[in-house]
Amino acid sequence: DTAVSQTPKYLVTQMGNDKSIKCEQNLGHDTMYWYKQDSKKFLKIMFSYNNKELIINETVPNRFSPKSPDKAHLNLHINSLELGDSAVYFCASSQVRATGLAGNEQFFGPGTRLTVL
Amino acid sequence: AQSVTQLDSQVPVFEEAPVELRCNYSSSVSVYLFWYVQYPNQGLQLLLKYLSGSTLVKGINGFEAEFNKSQTSFHLRKPSVHISDTAEYFCAVSERGSTLGRLYFGRGTQLTVWP
Repeated sequence: DTAVSQTPKYLVTQMGNDKSIKCEQNLGHDTMYWYKQDSKKFLKIMFSYNNKELIINETVPNRFSPKSPDKAHLNLHINSLELGDSAVYFCASSQVRATGLAGNEQFFGPGTRLTVL
Repeated sequence: AQSVTQLDSQVPVFEEAPVELRCNYSSSVSVYLFWYVQYPNQGLQLLLKYLSGSTLVKGINGFEAEFNKSQTSFHLRKPSVHISDTAEYFCAVSERGSTLGRLYFGRGTQLTVWP
């Protein structure tokens, strides 16, 4: 069973279009994340939701809007796509505990490679 | 705020040679430490993590890392690498006691193993 899944795996689209990426986790985690990985492999966190509440909102253009219908799902909608949005987008999940020895290990999905032409 | 520095962006080695990938971090609070591996066209996979206790941590695929608090380092080592270890390796930290669970990643080290 896939722990963190993303759809689609590949997304090729024209500038100006609107697209969505979906993420689902079946680990029972309470927190989910979106990352953007650029062509140099640099990972940048974009958003995080805990139990459907937005808890991390990095400096990201307003064209990007996350939505979490429930704690197992976190979707990313992108309006008016630009060439610079081309990247690999990763979803991740974790069970965040403020105390104890669990750490904050995150489990990553396989990624969605977005290409904007 | 936390920061993670991976000192080498690329490390080429020959098969069966030992390797060390270096990671230093900066933090004003206690942290958890992680190494993740990303194989080509895949997501990130946890190699190992340091939460507390013994400073030498063993992970999957024969990797180990040592936490050095005085030097704020968490270097990754493997005594003998295989071609299949070719991948991007990321060091990451998170704050103990944080309710955000945020990971701060280094910029990655590309390990290339040559036959």
